[in-house]
Amino acid sequence: DSGVTQTPKHLITATGQRVTLRCSPRSGDLSVYWYQQSLDQGLQFLIQYYNGEERAKGNILERFSAQQFPDLHSELNLSSLELGDSALYFCASSVRDSFTDTQYFGPGTRLTVL
Amino acid sequence: AQSVAQPEDQVNVAEGNPLTVKCTYSVSGNPYLFWYVQYPNRGLQFLLKYITGDNLVKGSYGFEAEFNKSQTSFHLKKPSALVSDSALYFCAVRDTDQAGTALIFGKGTTLSVSS
Repeated sequence: DSGVTQTPKHLITATGQRVTLRCSPRSGDLSVYWYQQSLDQGLQFLIQYYNGEERAKGNILERFSAQQFPDLHSELNLSSLELGDSALYFCASSVRDSFTDTQYFGPGTRLTVL
Repeated sequence: AQSVAQPEDQVNVAEGNPLTVKCTYSVSGNPYLFWYVQYPNRGLQFLLKYITGDNLVKGSYGFEAEFNKSQTSFHLKKPSALVSDSALYFCAVRDTDQAGTALIFGKGTTLSVSS
């Protein structure tokens, strides 16, 4: 158990809908990262938050957004869902915003868009 | 652009034999390298990392990795494989070109250990 929790575990929804994925980082970790894992794209970085502020953006679609709250938990919002958004979404956390810190991953949320 | 490559989609090894999972990298500055393992329907578990110092890094579950700067490689090794090591292994490098501290992952290598 990494100490990173994600809810829900599974999500099944329809095209055009909007969903919210939630992540609680390890206790004391200030950085939260979101990654998407799909068969065709592999593991791709979406976005990073550090201590409540957006720190970096990767291959995140404009239909997707995220935020980190004062208690450091984070939410990833996916809207106008398309079939191609079906994937495993991981949250990871690390102590600081440092190249040397280890990222610890949650169990993921499996999103299925029908 | 920084990248990491795992040239083998699958590695097959018999239980008790040594295993190697290959990884090569391309970075513009200092490499910060990581190995993760993913079991079916589970998240990624951290195995080990290279930041600086000794080229042989020891990690969890008996795994180790050898950093080779001249060959830009960071191969994962284990002296004696177990059936329970069968999983998907990812090599990753810190993206030092962009803002933030994200990881860039390889495509993954499936390790299959037969009894």
